[in-house]
Amino acid sequence: SYVLTQPPSVSVAPGQTARITCGGNIGRESVHWYQQRPGQAPVLVVYDDSDRPSGIPERFSGSKSGNTATLTIIRVEAGDEADYYCQVWDSSSDHGGVFGGGTKVTVL
Amino acid sequence: EVQLVQSGAEVKKPGESLKISCQGSGYRFTDYWIGWVRQKPGKGLEWMGVIDPDDSDTTYSPSFQGQVTISADTSISTAYLHWSTLKASDTAVYYCARHDGAMDVWGQGTTVTVSS
Repeated sequence: SYVLTQPPSVSVAPGQTARITCGGNIGRESVHWYQQRPGQAPVLVVYDDSDRPSGIPERFSGSKSGNTATLTIIRVEAGDEADYYCQVWDSSSDHGGVFGGGTKVTVL
Repeated sequence: EVQLVQSGAEVKKPGESLKISCQGSGYRFTDYWIGWVRQKPGKGLEWMGVIDPDDSDTTYSPSFQGQVTISADTSISTAYLHWSTLKASDTAVYYCARHDGAMDVWGQGTTVTVSS
């Protein structure tokens, strides 16, 4: 089955840069990223590898190189503390969507 | 405003059936798929399946195939997630989301508790 691998946790000081990776057989797939704050529904922060929905701060950006996608958050703020998930549509098997295991971002 | 509004929390017993709903507004309901996502307590997001409301075509994750049924009623812009026989392990929060590759609009979530 399709597997997306994320680090369980990332810690970053306020004002610094957080990078969250998502690895898997994603070279030909579009990668999407979601932020989920405690007790809230997920929010789309990056779609199609590197596009940002309206209303998402420019501090959030996405990139992909080979089989690794990266969500980068610059000038990290306390409000960025949340779980972040990557997601793709598995077009090779048409089994649908797949989420990574999630990364907890802690702002020190 | 585009939004998805889900039905309220449910408390059920093992073996019972359940159908929860997700009503879309602010857009043409048949223009976007609706997906369902499970989140068990303290755990990550799990993609369950998706429906194209335009033709009711569905795709399920292998993990959920045969365990749930996704349907839609376009006359009331509503998608459904149905269980015929609930288990304690179905206890979770269930989210619906508008699905166009990415899941760009999410419902508020429905908490389902299955306990004897």
